Amino acid sequence: DAGVTQSPTHLIKTRGQQVTLRCSPKSGHDTVSWYQQALGQGPQFIFQYYEEEERQRGNFPDRFSGHQFPNYSSELNVNALLLGDSALYLCASRGWTNEKLFFGSGTQLSVL
Amino acid sequence: SQQGEEDPQALSIQEGENATMNCSYKTSINNLQWYRQNSGRGLVHLILIRSNEREKHSGRLRVTLDTSKKSSSLLITASRAADTASYFCATDERGAGNNRKLIWGLGTSLAVNP
Repeated sequence: DAGVTQSPTHLIKTRGQQVTLRCSPKSGHDTVSWYQQALGQGPQFIFQYYEEEERQRGNFPDRFSGHQFPNYSSELNVNALLLGDSALYLCASRGWTNEKLFFGSGTQLSVL
Repeated sequence: SQQGEEDPQALSIQEGENATMNCSYKTSINNLQWYRQNSGRGLVHLILIRSNEREKHSGRLRVTLDTSKKSSSLLITASRAADTASYFCATDERGAGNNRKLIWGLGTSLAVNP
Protein backbone atom coordinates (compact mmCIF):
# COMPACT_ATOMS: atom_id res chain seq x y z
CA ASP A 1 0.00 0.00 0.00
CA ALA A 2 1.76 3.12 -1.22
CA GLY A 3 1.76 6.06 1.12
CA VAL A 4 1.70 9.70 0.06
CA THR A 5 4.16 10.34 -2.73
CA GLN A 6 5.50 13.73 -3.75
CA SER A 7 7.59 14.81 -6.70
CA PRO A 8 10.12 16.12 -7.26
CA THR A 9 12.19 15.63 -4.11
CA HIS A 10 14.31 18.70 -4.68
CA LEU A 11 13.93 21.68 -6.96
CA ILE A 12 16.01 24.77 -7.63
CA LYS A 13 14.42 27.78 -9.30
CA THR A 14 15.25 31.43 -9.77
CA ARG A 15 13.21 34.44 -8.70
CA GLY A 16 10.24 35.15 -10.93
CA GLN A 17 9.93 31.61 -12.23
CA GLN A 18 6.95 29.34 -11.76
CA VAL A 19 6.94 25.91 -10.17
CA THR A 20 4.56 22.94 -10.03
CA LEU A 21 4.74 20.35 -7.27
CA ARG A 22 2.85 17.07 -7.41
CA CYS A 23 1.28 14.79 -4.85
CA SER A 24 -0.41 11.40 -4.96
CA PRO A 25 -2.45 10.65 -1.85
CA LYS A 26 -2.42 7.44 0.11
CA SER A 27 -4.67 4.78 -1.34
CA GLY A 28 -8.26 5.30 -0.19
CA HIS A 29 -7.78 8.98 0.67
CA ASP A 30 -9.75 11.69 -1.09
CA THR A 31 -8.61 14.86 0.68
CA VAL A 32 -5.28 16.54 0.07
CA SER A 33 -3.77 19.48 1.89
CA TRP A 34 -0.54 21.37 1.30
CA TYR A 35 1.80 22.89 3.85
CA GLN A 36 4.85 25.11 3.67
CA GLN A 37 7.57 24.57 6.24
CA ALA A 38 10.43 27.04 6.51
CA LEU A 39 13.64 25.93 8.18
CA GLY A 40 13.21 25.72 11.93
CA GLN A 41 9.49 26.43 11.78
CA GLY A 42 6.31 24.43 12.01
CA PRO A 43 4.24 23.69 8.90
CA GLN A 44 1.97 26.47 7.65
CA PHE A 45 -1.34 25.47 6.07
CA ILE A 46 -1.64 26.57 2.43
CA PHE A 47 -4.90 24.98 1.27
CA GLN A 48 -6.98 21.83 1.21
CA TYR A 49 -8.73 20.08 -1.69
CA TYR A 50 -11.69 17.74 -1.66
CA GLU A 51 -13.87 16.71 -4.58
CA GLU A 52 -11.61 18.74 -6.89
CA GLU A 53 -12.45 21.97 -5.07
CA GLU A 54 -10.40 24.16 -2.77
CA ARG A 55 -12.22 23.85 0.55
CA GLN A 56 -10.04 25.87 2.86
CA ARG A 57 -7.18 28.26 2.42
CA GLY A 58 -4.53 29.58 4.73
CA ASN A 59 -2.95 33.01 4.68
CA PHE A 60 -1.08 32.69 1.39
CA PRO A 61 -1.20 35.03 -1.61
CA ASP A 62 -2.89 34.21 -4.89
CA ARG A 63 0.51 33.29 -6.33
CA PHE A 64 -0.12 29.97 -4.64
CA SER A 65 -2.74 27.93 -6.44
CA GLY A 66 -3.64 24.31 -6.67
CA HIS A 67 -5.65 21.66 -8.36
CA GLN A 68 -7.06 18.27 -7.54
CA PHE A 69 -7.67 15.69 -10.23
CA PRO A 70 -10.42 13.06 -10.44
CA ASN A 71 -7.97 10.42 -9.19
CA TYR A 72 -7.49 12.60 -6.04
CA SER A 73 -3.89 13.54 -6.89
CA SER A 74 -3.02 17.18 -6.52
CA GLU A 75 -0.70 19.89 -7.76
CA LEU A 76 0.60 22.99 -6.05
CA ASN A 77 1.58 25.86 -8.33
CA VAL A 78 3.56 28.87 -7.25
CA ASN A 79 3.99 31.80 -9.63
CA ALA A 80 6.46 34.67 -9.58
CA LEU A 81 8.73 32.93 -7.11
CA LEU A 82 10.32 34.97 -4.34
CA LEU A 83 13.39 34.14 -2.30
CA GLY A 84 11.08 33.74 0.70
CA ASP A 85 9.27 30.88 -1.01
CA SER A 86 12.28 28.66 -0.33
CA ALA A 87 10.97 25.97 1.98
CA LEU A 88 9.95 22.35 2.35
CA TYR A 89 6.52 21.82 0.79
CA LEU A 90 4.57 19.01 2.34
CA CYS A 91 1.52 17.25 1.02
CA ALA A 92 -0.80 15.41 3.38
CA SER A 93 -3.80 13.23 2.69
CA ARG A 94 -6.72 11.82 4.67
CA GLY A 95 -10.17 10.50 4.16
CA TRP A 96 -12.68 13.36 4.26
CA THR A 97 -14.30 12.10 7.46
CA ASN A 98 -10.99 11.22 9.12
CA GLU A 99 -8.82 13.42 11.28
CA LYS A 100 -5.38 11.83 11.02
CA LEU A 101 -3.05 13.13 8.32
CA PHE A 102 -0.55 11.09 6.36
CA PHE A 103 2.36 13.09 5.00
CA GLY A 104 4.65 12.69 2.03
CA SER A 105 8.39 13.24 2.35
CA GLY A 106 8.11 16.71 0.89
CA THR A 107 9.64 18.74 -1.91
CA GLN A 108 12.56 20.95 -0.94
CA LEU A 109 12.29 24.12 -3.02
CA SER A 110 15.21 26.52 -3.24
CA VAL A 111 14.69 29.88 -4.92
CA LEU A 112 17.91 31.64 -5.93
CA SER B 1 0.14 31.90 11.79
CA GLN B 2 1.27 29.50 14.46
CA GLN B 3 -1.29 28.54 17.05
CA GLY B 4 0.62 26.14 19.22
CA GLU B 5 3.73 26.94 21.11
CA GLU B 6 5.86 24.04 22.18
CA ASP B 7 8.22 24.19 25.06
CA PRO B 8 11.01 23.54 25.44
CA GLN B 9 12.30 24.41 21.97
CA ALA B 10 15.10 21.90 22.42
CA LEU B 11 15.61 19.01 24.81
CA SER B 12 18.63 16.76 25.27
CA ILE B 13 18.41 13.64 27.43
CA GLN B 14 20.11 10.30 27.97
CA GLU B 15 18.73 7.04 26.70
CA GLY B 16 16.32 5.52 29.19
CA GLU B 17 15.19 8.86 30.59
CA ASN B 18 11.72 10.29 30.08
CA ALA B 19 11.09 13.28 27.81
CA THR B 20 8.26 15.73 28.38
CA MET B 21 7.17 18.32 25.85
CA ASN B 22 4.45 20.90 26.32
CA CYS B 23 2.16 22.67 23.91
CA SER B 24 -0.08 25.68 24.41
CA TYR B 25 -2.75 26.90 22.02
CA LYS B 26 -5.17 29.80 21.71
CA THR B 27 -8.57 28.85 20.33
CA SER B 28 -11.25 26.21 20.85
CA ILE B 29 -10.32 22.91 19.30
CA ASN B 30 -11.87 19.66 18.10
CA ASN B 31 -8.73 17.72 18.87
CA LEU B 32 -4.99 18.06 19.35
CA GLN B 33 -2.52 15.86 17.54
CA TRP B 34 1.18 15.17 18.02
CA TYR B 35 3.46 14.44 15.08
CA ARG B 36 7.10 13.54 14.75
CA GLN B 37 9.50 14.70 12.04
CA ASN B 38 12.89 13.20 11.30
CA SER B 39 15.56 15.33 9.62
CA GLY B 40 13.17 17.89 8.12
CA ARG B 41 11.22 15.38 6.05
CA GLY B 42 7.64 14.15 6.25
CA LEU B 43 5.70 14.15 9.49
CA VAL B 44 4.39 11.00 11.13
CA HIS B 45 1.23 11.00 13.22
CA LEU B 46 1.82 9.84 16.79
CA ILE B 47 -1.37 10.34 18.76
CA LEU B 48 -4.65 12.26 18.73
CA ILE B 49 -6.55 13.44 21.80
CA ARG B 50 -10.07 14.83 21.52
CA SER B 51 -11.27 17.93 23.33
CA ASN B 52 -13.40 15.83 25.68
CA GLU B 53 -10.51 13.57 26.67
CA ARG B 54 -7.98 14.31 29.39
CA GLU B 55 -5.35 11.62 28.91
CA LYS B 56 -4.41 9.08 26.28
CA HIS B 57 -1.72 6.40 26.00
CA SER B 58 -0.09 4.72 23.05
CA GLY B 59 2.87 2.46 23.74
CA ARG B 60 5.57 4.61 25.36
CA LEU B 61 3.61 7.79 24.67
CA ARG B 62 1.32 9.54 27.10
CA VAL B 63 -0.59 12.67 26.14
CA THR B 64 -2.59 14.92 28.43
CA LEU B 65 -4.95 17.74 27.50
CA ASP B 66 -6.16 20.57 29.73
CA THR B 67 -8.72 22.58 27.77
CA SER B 68 -9.17 25.08 30.62
CA LYS B 69 -5.50 26.00 30.34
CA LYS B 70 -5.39 25.38 26.58
CA SER B 71 -2.36 23.16 26.98
CA SER B 72 -1.17 19.64 26.27
CA SER B 73 1.85 17.59 27.16
CA LEU B 74 3.55 14.66 25.46
CA LEU B 75 5.55 12.26 27.59
CA ILE B 76 7.89 9.74 26.00
CA THR B 77 8.97 7.14 28.54
CA ALA B 78 12.18 5.11 28.47
CA SER B 79 13.54 7.09 25.55
CA ARG B 80 15.73 5.56 22.86
CA ALA B 81 18.27 7.08 20.49
CA ALA B 82 15.77 6.40 17.69
CA ASP B 83 13.36 8.86 19.34
CA THR B 84 15.67 11.70 18.29
CA ALA B 85 13.47 13.93 16.12
CA SER B 86 11.38 17.10 16.15
CA TYR B 87 7.97 16.83 17.75
CA PHE B 88 5.06 19.07 16.79
CA CYS B 89 1.65 19.62 18.24
CA ALA B 90 -1.16 20.53 15.87
CA THR B 91 -4.60 21.76 16.80
CA ASP B 92 -7.68 20.96 14.79
CA GLU B 93 -9.78 24.11 15.04
CA ARG B 94 -13.52 23.93 15.50
CA GLY B 95 -15.12 24.44 12.13
CA ALA B 96 -17.97 23.37 9.94
CA GLY B 97 -18.25 19.65 9.29
CA ASN B 98 -15.14 17.91 8.04
CA ASN B 99 -13.54 21.05 6.67
CA ARG B 100 -10.56 20.78 8.95
CA LYS B 101 -7.20 22.47 9.01
CA LEU B 102 -4.40 21.90 11.44
CA ILE B 103 -2.55 24.77 13.08
CA TRP B 104 0.99 23.88 14.07
CA GLY B 105 3.45 24.91 16.72
CA LEU B 106 7.15 25.53 16.20
CA GLY B 107 8.14 22.13 17.52
CA THR B 108 10.47 20.68 20.13
CA SER B 109 13.77 19.27 18.96
CA LEU B 110 14.56 16.17 21.02
CA ALA B 111 18.02 14.63 21.14
CA VAL B 112 18.39 11.29 22.91
CA ASN B 113 22.01 10.49 23.60
CA PRO B 114 23.11 6.84 23.72
